[in-house]
Amino acid sequence: SQTIHQWPATLVQPVGSPLSLECTVEGTSNPNLYWYRQAAGRGLQLLFYSVGIGQISSEVPQNLSASRPQDRQFILSSKKLLLSDSGFYLCAWVGGSGTGELFFGEGSRLTVL
Amino acid sequence: LAKTTQPISMDSYEGQEVNITCSHNNIATNDYITWYQQFPSQGPRFIIQGYKTKVTNEVASLFIPADRKSSTLSLPRVSLSDTAVYYCLVGLYNFNKFYFGSGTKLNVKP
Repeated sequence: SQTIHQWPATLVQPVGSPLSLECTVEGTSNPNLYWYRQAAGRGLQLLFYSVGIGQISSEVPQNLSASRPQDRQFILSSKKLLLSDSGFYLCAWVGGSGTGELFFGEGSRLTVL
Repeated sequence: LAKTTQPISMDSYEGQEVNITCSHNNIATNDYITWYQQFPSQGPRFIIQGYKTKVTNEVASLFIPADRKSSTLSLPRVSLSDTAVYYCLVGLYNFNKFYFGSGTKLNVKP
């Protein structure tokens, strides 16, 4: 069966420091992958999505970037964190059954101080 | 992609049926409607999906009128564990983008 994992689960970083969040999917090949961010008490904001290795589409962020170095690996990065980058980051992949069902990882909670 | 509008919050009591309506006036012909449930500090979880009329599974029903400009998620006999945020998504999946709205926070009371 397919599984998705994210790490780290919790992160506290100072303003201006770099960031790297990693997501790995198992049990499937060539999945569409997504990064979402959820600020406290808010809905989910789509940040990036990828349809294949090296293919990244950016939705919003200016100081965040994403990479897909391997088929089942999706990385979210920043060179310099802002206070506004705090939030709950979720990685997801879409099932191949044709229904478009999203499966989410456990999430990574980032606090920027 | 069609924008969705949902109530910000709803209250209910255990054992009641809860109906959450989502408005999507500019839904496109090929768009599907999908509902997710999210508990605190967890990712959203798929509940149900439909295109038109009525869809039912083991946890919910989804009612979609003929004009498809709205949809209603129905949760039968809710329990305290159904307290969560519920999101309605509308989109065509081969566009590869999934946008979540603000969701409806359901609070089930004993």
